Amino acid sequence: DAGITQSPRYKITETGRQVTLMCHQTWSHSYMFWYRQDLGHGLRLIYYSAAADITDKGEVPDGYVVSRSKTENFPLTLESATRSQTSVYFCASTFSGANVLTFGAGSRLTVL
Amino acid sequence: GDSVTQMEGPVTLSEEAFLTINCTYTATGYPSLFWYVQYPGEGLQLLLKATKADDKGSNKGFEATYRKETTSFHLEKGSVQVSDSAVYFCALSGARFRGGATNKLIFGTGTLLAVQP
Repeated sequence: DAGITQSPRYKITETGRQVTLMCHQTWSHSYMFWYRQDLGHGLRLIYYSAAADITDKGEVPDGYVVSRSKTENFPLTLESATRSQTSVYFCASTFSGANVLTFGAGSRLTVL
Repeated sequence: GDSVTQMEGPVTLSEEAFLTINCTYTATGYPSLFWYVQYPGEGLQLLLKATKADDKGSNKGFEATYRKETTSFHLEKGSVQVSDSAVYFCALSGARFRGGATNKLIFGTGTLLAVQP
């Protein structure tokens, strides 16, 4: 199916565990993004990628790791989850030079 | 730095009421402005946009006009429906990402709209 898909949609984990959220897009968009959505903060950029093998920090990168070995995939890893990382995570993508983002449906992560 | 300020919600309206959600911004240069909508359980999707001063973006009965003099981009709809219940985000295109041609999007905190039948 064409589009941008995130998995898992829901995840419950414990403090200290490693968690990976997956993002896959079928449009060959060069730019991909990870945001977290928290009440009172709106959307905050965690990491972004301008192309395969090119990633950079956003506004709130601490505690997260990303990689982009293929254009279509942009996984986000929490190496040692903390309660403060309980949030809804959105992946998004766009073409270079465009400013309109296409978002995935989100991954709701709860860290106990 | 660049920022977006939205009115706090929730906004609760009856069906067919007039809607205004205020959005003001602070930015250097001439950003593009956007409204995104998030329906329950879904990701954000673009509702409308405006790329320069005095432009009016419109879609699905919603409108917003880019007002440079008041640095505002208020969202309006003449008659809301229950199906418009969602969270609405105002956003602007900020500085370019390092080395690229794509701008960072700066989002407001979102405004929850609840429309009652």
